[in-house]
Amino acid sequence: EVQLVESGGGLVQPGGSLRLSCAASGFTFSSFWMSWVRQAPGKGLEWVANVNEDGSESKYVGSVKGRFTISRDNAKNSLYLQMNSLRAEDTAVYYCARGRGFGDWGQGTLVIVSS
Amino acid sequence: QSVLTQPPSASGTPGQTVTISCSGSSSSVGNRIVSWHQQLPGAAPKVLIYNNNQRPSGVPDRFSGSKSGTSASLAISGLQSEDEADYYCAAWDNSPEGVVFGGGTKLTVL
Repeated sequence: EVQLVESGGGLVQPGGSLRLSCAASGFTFSSFWMSWVRQAPGKGLEWVANVNEDGSESKYVGSVKGRFTISRDNAKNSLYLQMNSLRAEDTAVYYCARGRGFGDWGQGTLVIVSS
Repeated sequence: QSVLTQPPSASGTPGQTVTISCSGSSSSVGNRIVSWHQQLPGAAPKVLIYNNNQRPSGVPDRFSGSKSGTSASLAISGLQSEDEADYYCAAWDNSPEGVVFGGGTKLTVL
């Protein structure tokens, strides 16, 4: 059974930083692209970033380019999202998902950016 | 504003067939791989359709996906009360733009 478990969310002040983690199990992690998707309160889904199988290629939505960094550690079956210079509009539930087509989803972790 | 356009709402009665559309340009849908996701109230999303029209194991065959030109569709036949949820289309390719989502469709079972 595929499991994706996010952690690291919380309350952070504007301009602050946060690192999200996603622990993966139940599939060959190193064989899949991995993605982060977020959902602001009461809003729709927004793709944030994805990374290829060995971490050599990554893509970002325009609004987070230069502020967020996606990475992975295949030895630990883990995906990360380093979020810097956080803004109020980054407030959302952040989901980890398997593949570029989001074949499996985690339960999400809530990030609140507020003073 | 989403790159992919979905109707904000849809409805049907139990047993009916409902179709949700997802439209865009040739660069947003036509040349991309489409997936569909269901989000029940208070829950994480779940994939219903991947690779335009493939259904993961465990997803009832009441759910089907199709794509033609610059549009994709999700059809739900034999509508059930538990199908009441938000539905999202997503499309990806190898371009630098990555992945785009539709704005979501709230399905109400009357």
